[in-house]
Amino acid sequence: QVQLVQSGAEVKKPGASVRVSCKASGYTFTTYNINWVRQATGQGLEWMGWMNPYSGHTGYAQKFQGRVTITRDTSISTAYMELSSLRSEDTAVYYCARVGRDGYNYGEDYWGQGTLVTVSS
Amino acid sequence: DIVMTQSPDSLAVSLGERATIKCKSSQGLLYTSNNRDYLTWYQQKPGQPPKLLIYWASTRESGVPDRFSGSGSGTDFTLTISSLQAEDVAVYYCQQFYSTPYTFGQGTKLEI
Repeated sequence: QVQLVQSGAEVKKPGASVRVSCKASGYTFTTYNINWVRQATGQGLEWMGWMNPYSGHTGYAQKFQGRVTITRDTSISTAYMELSSLRSEDTAVYYCARVGRDGYNYGEDYWGQGTLVTVSS
Repeated sequence: DIVMTQSPDSLAVSLGERATIKCKSSQGLLYTSNNRDYLTWYQQKPGQPPKLLIYWASTRESGVPDRFSGSGSGTDFTLTISSLQAEDVAVYYCQQFYSTPYTFGQGTKLEI
């Protein structure tokens, strides 16, 4: 069965960086895009960016340009999201999600369990 | 960026009754290459990641009960739960998958 398992919770100081991992299993990692979405406590969903694991191509929401980097290691079917220059407003649960497709991409069909990143001095 | 606006922000419906949630996009979501509207609906329960319910505006994801249906085209879309069950209490989000960034609506909290 398809699973995305994320790394554990992190506590970071303002200005630091955080890297969250997302290990995929149950399908061929390189055949589906991976998106990253975050959610502050009690707030809505915010889309951050995408990656094609086959080519390594990425795209980021303008809000995060210059601060976020999405990478992958295909040998271990794992995607990574690194966010730098952290501030308190970045405190949120970060999700990775597989992008389903039926000839064309259509939405995030499988999600990781989420990783809580807390930014506090 | 495409702005997604849901209404209402919250909704209380009795068990067995119909629930209707609307989503409006700031521009059309129709992909002419496959004649599909790139609008997706998710359900999120507390402490859980979102669950994909409906994609391409009206295609139900495998395993989703048939009481959930999606409709609409262009810029106006609707999620309908035909007969509310207790387990449907959740926050519902629409998302456009037409162009990046794939923006979400603000969410609609559905209660009994």
